[in-house]
Amino acid sequence: EAGVAQSPRYKIIEKRQSVAFWCNPISGHATLYWYQQILGQGPKLLIQFQNNGVVDDSQLPKDRFSAERLKGVDSTLKIQPAKLEDSAVYLCASSSRPAGGYGYTFGSGTRLTVV
Amino acid sequence: SQQGEEDPQALSIQEGENATMNCSYKTSINNLQWYRQNSGRGLVHLILIRSNEREKHSGRLRVTLDTSKKSSSLLITASRAADTASYFCATVPMDSNYQLIWGAGTKLIIKP
Repeated sequence: EAGVAQSPRYKIIEKRQSVAFWCNPISGHATLYWYQQILGQGPKLLIQFQNNGVVDDSQLPKDRFSAERLKGVDSTLKIQPAKLEDSAVYLCASSSRPAGGYGYTFGSGTRLTVV
Repeated sequence: SQQGEEDPQALSIQEGENATMNCSYKTSINNLQWYRQNSGRGLVHLILIRSNEREKHSGRLRVTLDTSKKSSSLLITASRAADTASYFCATVPMDSNYQLIWGAGTKLIIKP
């Protein structure tokens, strides 16, 4: 099966600019996650979708980050305006079941550098 | 919040040797998962072990779980240069939204 697709692969922007990331999960996977991974750390969950509804966005900095999952398939994550501390890899993952009882499939990530 | 803590933070061994990484966590779990991340790449799921299991194998990988000590170990036997990567444990706590809680990872270097 095709994996989780993410784009772009890399992005460099200046602080206060906006940026958007795109994710296409594995076909049929109802659950989609966005993670932020700062260099040298484990991933941090930003938002979890079940179909097109939000399950958990408690760690999403809502003053600058937004995410949507239209029609329960593709998802976009946006940062507006970006800060230097947003420099990280943004990972998208999907799962066929929300129960966490199965491994998640991750995309290759988008490496964001804010200068 | 960070649940898992991997130990050691970094490990460097010769090719052919066994590598052991440990993970400790704080709360009761539904399951624990190990992932590998090659430099600049996404995470790859290796093994999932449920709270009622004590040991699982997958190829050269062996995972153990001790719920009384709230700890897990990942053993890679007969290591290869291609095993060089960061290894993360992630737990699914009981009574959660089945979210993964991650540790900071162990960076494993296999020297040829």
